[in-house]
Formats: sequence, C-alpha cells, structure tokens
Amino acid sequence: AQSVTQPDIHITVSEGASLELRCNYSYGATPYLFWYVQSPGQGLQLLLKYFSGDTLVQGIKGFEAEFKRSQSSFNLRKPSVHWSDAAEYFCAVGAGGSYIPTFGRGTSLIVHP
Amino acid sequence: EPEVTQTPSHQVTQMGQEVILRCVPISNHLYFYWYRQILGQKVEFLVSFYNNEISEKSEIFDDQFSVERPDGSNFTLKIRSTKLEDSAMYFCASSEGLAGGPGGELFFGEGSRLTVL
Repeated sequence: AQSVTQPDIHITVSEGASLELRCNYSYGATPYLFWYVQSPGQGLQLLLKYFSGDTLVQGIKGFEAEFKRSQSSFNLRKPSVHWSDAAEYFCAVGAGGSYIPTFGRGTSLIVHP
Repeated sequence: EPEVTQTPSHQVTQMGQEVILRCVPISNHLYFYWYRQILGQKVEFLVSFYNNEISEKSEIFDDQFSVERPDGSNFTLKIRSTKLEDSAMYFCASSEGLAGGPGGELFFGEGSRLTVL
C-alpha cells in the first residue's frame, strides 16, 4: 500500500522568504501526487497535482512542486512567502487501482512578519 | 464557484449515541468520499461512493459506519453508536470523475467536527 511522509510538523518562515515543504512517498510505481492546503476554518484546497509529464508542476497561489523519482519526493516550493500562506499543507499520493488519495499528516506553516 | 458544503460544522454527542453528518457535493459530481482527521494525526480515507453503492472502504469503516445518498443532493455519514475515539474532523469530498483520472480532482468541504463525550 502507498504511504506519505511529511517529516516536518511545523515550519516557520519570515514573510518574503522562500519556502520548501518536504514530502516523501512510498509506492512501487509512479503515483499520482497532490498538495492540498487547509486554511483555518476552511476545507482542503488543491494547490497542484502531478500525474505524468513535466516533473516540475505549477500550481495556484505561486506554488510549485517537483517530482523526483530517484528520491521518491514531491517537495512543495514557493520563492516568496506571504502572511496569507500561513496554513496547514498536506501532501497526498494516489496509487493502486482507485488512485484515491492517501494523505500525509500535514505540515503547519507559520509566517512571521 | 461551486463548493462542497457540510453540516453541522460542530457536533457534540454522548458516547453511544447515533450521529449523522451531512454533505452536499458539487451538483455534477458523481464520486463521493468521506475522510476523517483525528486531532494531530493524518487525514484518513474512510469510504468512497459511486452509483449508489460503496466502491471502496478502509479498515476504519467498520459496521458502525454507513453512508447513504438519500436524495439527489445529500450524501450522509452515519455513526451508529459513537465511541470516544470517533472524535475527529470529518471531511466530505466529491469528484466529477474517478480519482486520478480526468476530472478526478477531489473537492473538499470545510469539515464537521465531532466531539464524543
């Protein structure tokens, strides 16, 4: 079965600084990969997804992620963080027959002014 | 923009009581899902539903749980006899197509927080 690891429970950055959130997955073949964001009191919103093709994926809100098969990783990046990016970020992997996403435990992003 | 709506936003119940959580998926979506997140833990898949029947379920989704689409718009999760460990945030999601395929993006509601005392 597939699994997802987000090694960082909390990440703190200053506004304007760059951001990288880590995600590692475990699955034998190429999975479908997703990043979701959850702002306080909100549902989960899809930031971006990787199915195939170009391994650098652009998403909404200025985020991007890179699929690295050799490292089984799908890290999320943003060049300059805004205070409104403070939220919980979830990496998810879809694999197997149904491709229903399996989520990681999430990384909480704190943005200092 | 169409969205998935969930009610109630928060429910407090006594152990052993039945709880029904309600969801209104996006109107043209055909696939429906329930996930849950126990505080501080992962978002866990419970069940998927398509064509009026369960298409997939996890080990968590035991006989205490059931899902139903009683009419053309609502999708409900029932917990028959709640336990303390059922306390969690429950998320409903829907997708137009099969997850992972064309139109398979999951759209989530804001969640229903269940507290079992």
